[in-house]
Amino acid sequence: AQSVTQLGSHVSVSEGALVLLRCNYSSSVPPYLFWYVQYPNQGLQLLLKYTSAATLVKGINGFEAEFKKSETSFHLTKPSAHMSDAAEYFCAVSRASGTYKYIFGTGTRLKVLA
Amino acid sequence: DAGVIQSPRHEVTEMGQEVTLRCKPISGHDYLFWYRQTMMRGLELLIYFNNNVPIDDSGMPEDRFSAKMPNASFSTLKIQPSEPRDSAVYFCASSAYLAGGNNEQFFGPGTRLTVL
Repeated sequence: AQSVTQLGSHVSVSEGALVLLRCNYSSSVPPYLFWYVQYPNQGLQLLLKYTSAATLVKGINGFEAEFKKSETSFHLTKPSAHMSDAAEYFCAVSRASGTYKYIFGTGTRLKVLA
Repeated sequence: DAGVIQSPRHEVTEMGQEVTLRCKPISGHDYLFWYRQTMMRGLELLIYFNNNVPIDDSGMPEDRFSAKMPNASFSTLKIQPSEPRDSAVYFCASSAYLAGGNNEQFFGPGTRLTVL
């Protein structure tokens, strides 16, 4: 079975500070991992995805994530937060083969302080 | 491309009424997913289709919920009868087959359902 744990349902950072959103996964098979962002009253939008090609994945809006198999983690980072980054962020896992279902984490709401 | 289209965007109904949510996936996508999002339970997968065929409906909460995909460009999620606990945002997403499951799901804007 697969699962995803996002530590911290709410994270606050100052504008210009480092953003770190944590995601740990559990999977008995090689996983694919995704980060999605949801702005208020909108659907989810893909930020980046890990598909085994490279462990450091760069996404849109300056975000990146590093796949660490030994730590079963896929944390999302951005060097400098911007006010427009305030949103909810979801980590998701799917199997590397055989199914197209995602298992989503519970989400982390990011607040950016001026 | 218009993206995934959902209608209506907002629905307010009374308990016991039938509710039908609609989704038009991105053209050429062969997977379609229905999700429900609530504060208490987060984002839940209800059902997904491949080439218009339901593959996994294990997330459908009970018999009051049903979903159909009569063709590649249209799907419905129906709740009959509706109950206040069905109040949520319902998302439709679609994706295209990629070898190995390396598929990005594209989400619609959602339908906010309120059952009074």
